[in-house]
Amino acid sequence: AQKVTQAQTEISVVEKEDVTLDCVYETRDTTYYLFWYKQPPSGELVFLIRRNSFDEQNEISGRYSWNFQKSTSSFNFTITASQVVDSAVYFCALSDDPTGANNLFFGTGTRLTVIP
Amino acid sequence: NAGVTQTPKFQVLKTGQSMTLQCAQDMNHNSMYWYRQDPGMGLRLIYYSASEGTTDKGEVPNGYNVSRLNKREFSLRLESAAPSQTSVYFCASSEDRITYSNQPQHFGDGTRLSIL
Repeated sequence: AQKVTQAQTEISVVEKEDVTLDCVYETRDTTYYLFWYKQPPSGELVFLIRRNSFDEQNEISGRYSWNFQKSTSSFNFTITASQVVDSAVYFCALSDDPTGANNLFFGTGTRLTVIP
Repeated sequence: NAGVTQTPKFQVLKTGQSMTLQCAQDMNHNSMYWYRQDPGMGLRLIYYSASEGTTDKGEVPNGYNVSRLNKREFSLRLESAAPSQTSVYFCASSEDRITYSNQPQHFGDGTRLSIL
């Protein structure tokens, strides 16, 4: 069975601090895909990244970085020098399909509040 | 380019009333999905349609029906609304599994449904 755990329900940081959002997953598949989505207060879902199980390279995109470690079944997300605009709910998700189709499993989300 | 369009954005129903949520995508995607999002939970798949003319149950299908009217449109119907169906509903679409894309599922902006 597939499962995604985001143990941090809510996190508050002061602007410019770094913050890491944890994601731990469970799957029996050898080929799978991990995703992060951002849901700002306006409610829409914004795709951030997809990573497949064969690519453990860390990825950096501006202030965002992702650390994928198969050994610990984790796909953590770090925001460097946080900004107020980063305040949102962040979801980690797992799928065995590259498009994130029918069996996309979401974690319960982490609400990040960045305090000015 | 509108992407995925959901209507209505907000709706209040009384228990027992029926309602159809509409979703349309203009990206020529084969696959479409309906999710619900409840407080403190991630998105859970209600139904999906891998192609025009086919629909399948997701994680939480009870109390819902769907219709894939054509390739563009995928509607979700509540025949007899219950307070437990108060939620935010998201429609999404994606390319075929064979096609690789940086962005997996494209989401609509959501429909906030309250059932009294």
